[in-house]
Amino acid sequence: QSVLTQPPSASGTPGQRVTISCSGSSSNIGSNTVNWYQQLPGTAPKLLIYSDNQRPSGVPDRFSGSKSGTSASLAISGLQSEDEADYYCAAWDDSLNGVLFGGGTKLTVL
Amino acid sequence: QVQLQESGPGLVKPSETLSLTCTVSGGSISSYFWSWIRQPPGKGLEWIGYIYYSGSTNCNPSLKSRVTLSVDTSKNQFSLKLSSVTAADTAVYYCARHYGGYIYSALDVWGQGTTVIVSS
Repeated sequence: QSVLTQPPSASGTPGQRVTISCSGSSSNIGSNTVNWYQQLPGTAPKLLIYSDNQRPSGVPDRFSGSKSGTSASLAISGLQSEDEADYYCAAWDDSLNGVLFGGGTKLTVL
Repeated sequence: QVQLQESGPGLVKPSETLSLTCTVSGGSISSYFWSWIRQPPGKGLEWIGYIYYSGSTNCNPSLKSRVTLSVDTSKNQFSLKLSSVTAADTAVYYCARHYGGYIYSALDVWGQGTTVIVSS
């Protein structure tokens, strides 16, 4: 069964740069683009990064995405308290023929 | 701008069928793929399935035998039915749109989610 693996938690202090990793396989990240979603407490997920490294309108440039092979990363620079949220990577999976989500990473701003 | 709103019963009895509808406003349901996603309490996101405005569908194999997806373009709505529910189906259910009309693309518009509890 296809899996996208994320660390369950991450943390940083205001102003720091943090990265969240997402590891997949050839059937998902290796052959399709990666998207990242931010879920603030009690709210619906919001698209943060699409097509590996593109930001939707309105998303600050503090957020950036990258991909190499079967892994992807989300970087947040100039960390702010309002960035405290759950972050999910996702990609189309050719075996599933559907959307595969990572398990999510809870980001804490210390 | 396009908005999505899920609707349906918040409480379903075990073994019964969960039925939800997603209403698309501010835009047309046509020419897009639409997905259902759920999130059990305290857990991550799980993709349930997608439907194209033309009616073609695909579902997560883990749920496929219990899921029925349908679309009503005249009402700008699409629906999810999940049969034989158990407590494990208790979750917040979201509907979402695939960006740009491509199934492989990101989910750029999400509904606010609706909580469904399975309990007698």
